[in-house]
Amino acid sequence: QQQVKQSPQSLIVQKGGISIINCAYENTAFDYFPWYQQFPGKGPALLIAIRPDVSEKKEGRFTISFNKSAKQFSLHIMDSQPGDSATYFCAAHVHPNDYKLSFGAGTTVTVRA
Amino acid sequence: GAVVSQHPSRVICKSGTSVKIECRSLDFQATTMFWYRQFPKQSLMLMATSNEGSKATYEQGVEKDKFLINHASLTLSTLTVTSAHPEDSSFYICSAPDRVGNQPQHFGDGTRLSIL
Repeated sequence: QQQVKQSPQSLIVQKGGISIINCAYENTAFDYFPWYQQFPGKGPALLIAIRPDVSEKKEGRFTISFNKSAKQFSLHIMDSQPGDSATYFCAAHVHPNDYKLSFGAGTTVTVRA
Repeated sequence: GAVVSQHPSRVICKSGTSVKIECRSLDFQATTMFWYRQFPKQSLMLMATSNEGSKATYEQGVEKDKFLINHASLTLSTLTVTSAHPEDSSFYICSAPDRVGNQPQHFGDGTRLSIL
């Protein structure tokens, strides 16, 4: 049973547009929510992460919105660029010292020039 | 920043061969490392947690005799796929958290294993 549910499975956005990926979780013990970016043939790379004590975190064109009561969080990619075309995974830690990640199913983002 | 190095990046071998994959933390000590398997267009599936100086912890359904894990030092974990068969072909990825630096998991670049 997947502990973190991610949608959509894939999305296509025009250059300059906004990409939005949503994730939901059930385990209230999760206390760290990272997003990873993965290019074909490469391992995932940490993009941005948030803890549940804040509702939003922004780093450059990437923003995480977090809704603790709804147990949902999302990634917004502003001004999407062709170089952002990749697969994005949301994830969550079961325990702060565990570092054992539960991954979402992934979203393949294609940015058309 | 912290880097996790995985070697080799690609392996092609015959059925029945055993294959060893190395995962190294280059500038931090990793008492714990994780091994994942990823099929095309799918998410990462955790196979096992590698613990320095002790036995690995395997996830349900993962054959410990098939996937041997050794974590003999604070910077190196190895995954050996024993007597590999075509169904073992996959993308194997390791990761390690930098506990001292309180950094999240850093991932290696993966090993593409193809069994003919």
